[in-house]
Amino acid sequence: EVQLVQSGAEVKKPGESLKISCKGSGYTFTSYWIAWVRQMPGKGLEWMGIIYPGNSDTRYSPSFQGQVTISADKSVNTAYLQWSSLRASDTAMYYCARRDNNWYASDKWGRGTLVTVSS
Amino acid sequence: DIQMTQSPSSLSASVGDRVTITCRASQSITRTLNWYQQRPGKAPQLLIYAASSLESGVPSRFSGSGSGTDFTLTISSLQPEDFATYYCQHSADTPYTFGQGTKLEMK
Repeated sequence: EVQLVQSGAEVKKPGESLKISCKGSGYTFTSYWIAWVRQMPGKGLEWMGIIYPGNSDTRYSPSFQGQVTISADKSVNTAYLQWSSLRASDTAMYYCARRDNNWYASDKWGRGTLVTVSS
Repeated sequence: DIQMTQSPSSLSASVGDRVTITCRASQSITRTLNWYQQRPGKAPQLLIYAASSLESGVPSRFSGSGSGTDFTLTISSLQPEDFATYYCQHSADTPYTFGQGTKLEMK
């Protein structure tokens, strides 16, 4: 069974750093792109960026370029989303999702990681 | 970047109703259009890919159509579990932007 298991909820203060994770199983992790999607409280879905774990090729939405870093470690089948200095406006649910290789839809999703940034 | 515009933003309907949600792209995306359902407190779930292909396990009351810039998602006969928020997303080129969502509420 294909699964994406995300790390647990985080509560951080403004200015702190954070790295959340998404571990894939049940498929060849290095053969599928993994996307990250933000959902702010009560709002819609925002596509942040995507990484190919096979060679770490990464693409960012212009809205998120320079604000976050997407990475992957294929030795542990895990993709990451990280911030160097969090802001209150980063408070949101963050989902990872696998991109299918034919029509590029997000066919499998993690359950999400809730990040709360508050002083 | 390609912008996606959904309408309506919200919709009230009853069990058994036929409903249609539309999605418009700011430029042609051929058939690279996907639809997702998100229930409250849950992750999104893929319903339709490539504009009209039903994802495995999705009930046949869901259907999609369109190409180029204009697309529709139709639910032929609403069931109680269908009251949720629906999003379109293009996958023509990165960034794969989403529409703003359509919240389907019970009348």
